[in-house]
Amino acid sequence: KNEVEQSPQNLTAQEGEFITINCSYSVGISALHWLQQHPGGGIVSLFMLSSGKKKHGRLIATINIQEKHSSLHITASHPRDSAVYICAVSPYSGGSNYKLTFGKGTLLTVNP
Amino acid sequence: DTGVSQNPRHKITKRGQNVTFRCDPISEHNRLYWYRQTLGQGPEFLTYFQNEAQLEKSRLLSDRFSAERPKGSFSTLEIQRTEQGDSAMYLCASNRYTRGYTEAFFGQGTRLTVV
Repeated sequence: KNEVEQSPQNLTAQEGEFITINCSYSVGISALHWLQQHPGGGIVSLFMLSSGKKKHGRLIATINIQEKHSSLHITASHPRDSAVYICAVSPYSGGSNYKLTFGKGTLLTVNP
Repeated sequence: DTGVSQNPRHKITKRGQNVTFRCDPISEHNRLYWYRQTLGQGPEFLTYFQNEAQLEKSRLLSDRFSAERPKGSFSTLEIQRTEQGDSAMYLCASNRYTRGYTEAFFGQGTRLTVV
């Protein structure tokens, strides 16, 4: 069983829909990260959070430390949101916070 | 451009050849990380540096792999005697380590194809 599990693996939505991607992890963590990867490979960090909720534009990320679960929400989805969304965790080690363990990613396709 | 830069973006090599990739981090970032991503999988941690010191290496980093960051600025990742299983996207990221948590910035990656 992977330490970081994401669901769904693939998600197709119509423009304007509200989207939720889930992430569960099984290890103690110091932080959880949501990343976006477009075709071609480049990764952009969307959120880094260790508790509560963060919002940036149409993106919202929440984390429940007790339940070891995080969600990424996209409101009013748009075709330009189409990408792979990856959840990753920094294990609680006191060391490097970017020695990350990644989920396999969720491929989101938003159709116009 | 003040982002993380990786070169080359694509590399095709014959099995058995050596390849070297370069990563230029954001200039004030003292930590630099290498990851490998195979098709359909999330990235996997390979190694990281704080300044010029290589602080940790994953067991994924076999003896054929070596990474350096000689002056604490850019880093190179070399793969000797490449194998088809080395085909992957190699990603570099950097951040500034402080007592708090700082977000990292990723490069565009180098896609290696071993034929």
